[in-house]
Amino acid sequence: SQQGEEDPQALSIQEGENATMNCSYKTSINNLQWYRQNSGRGLVHLILIRSNEREKHSGRLRVTLDTSKKSSSLLITASRAADTASYFCATESGYSTLTFGKGTMLLVSP
Amino acid sequence: EAGVVQSPRYKIIEKKQPVAFWCNPISGHNTLYWYLQNLGQGPELLIRYENEEAVDDSQLPKDRFSAERLKGVDSTLKIQPAELGDSAVYLCASSLGGRAGETQYFGPGTRLLVL
Repeated sequence: SQQGEEDPQALSIQEGENATMNCSYKTSINNLQWYRQNSGRGLVHLILIRSNEREKHSGRLRVTLDTSKKSSSLLITASRAADTASYFCATESGYSTLTFGKGTMLLVSP
Repeated sequence: EAGVVQSPRYKIIEKKQPVAFWCNPISGHNTLYWYLQNLGQGPELLIRYENEEAVDDSQLPKDRFSAERLKGVDSTLKIQPAELGDSAVYLCASSLGGRAGETQYFGPGTRLLVL
């Protein structure tokens, strides 16, 4: 079963623009993670935010978490064509068990 | 350092045939996961191993799916017999010790097509 629900399902932007993806979930969590999946390849871990954190940065990535609204957002600043991929949020509620959302497909055009 | 290795990368079989997928996790990683990813969906956990013990197989359809990790290193996931609805990508992942907040490292997956 899917816990997270990403929004939008697809996003198309130009290089240099910022991309924002949102994730909503249903149950209480220990942490929330974002993964990237390039076409036909495995997932790559991007960033983790714990339930007691509200914002986290890593390079061009900024993640926010609002546990009262059960939602998170991923911001990619100054997008590049290489950022084209599907992005998934995954919540961890129990013992290292991840529950993934359906993902957002991001297309960054040169 | 080598990542998670999976084989085969692609497999096409006819329905009712058996199929097996192999995964070799990152060296030293005690926890191994098998996920199923349908088209347009996120991965869904099938089974999680801590060393050779399956500690969470609640989502594994046990009537046709089986998995093993006999020596606590590499693992095999089997489907017998395969059905049309099993067409999907099967992902293997590993992590160091299976603790909360630990990063899971994914392999490239095996893309299965059942005809």
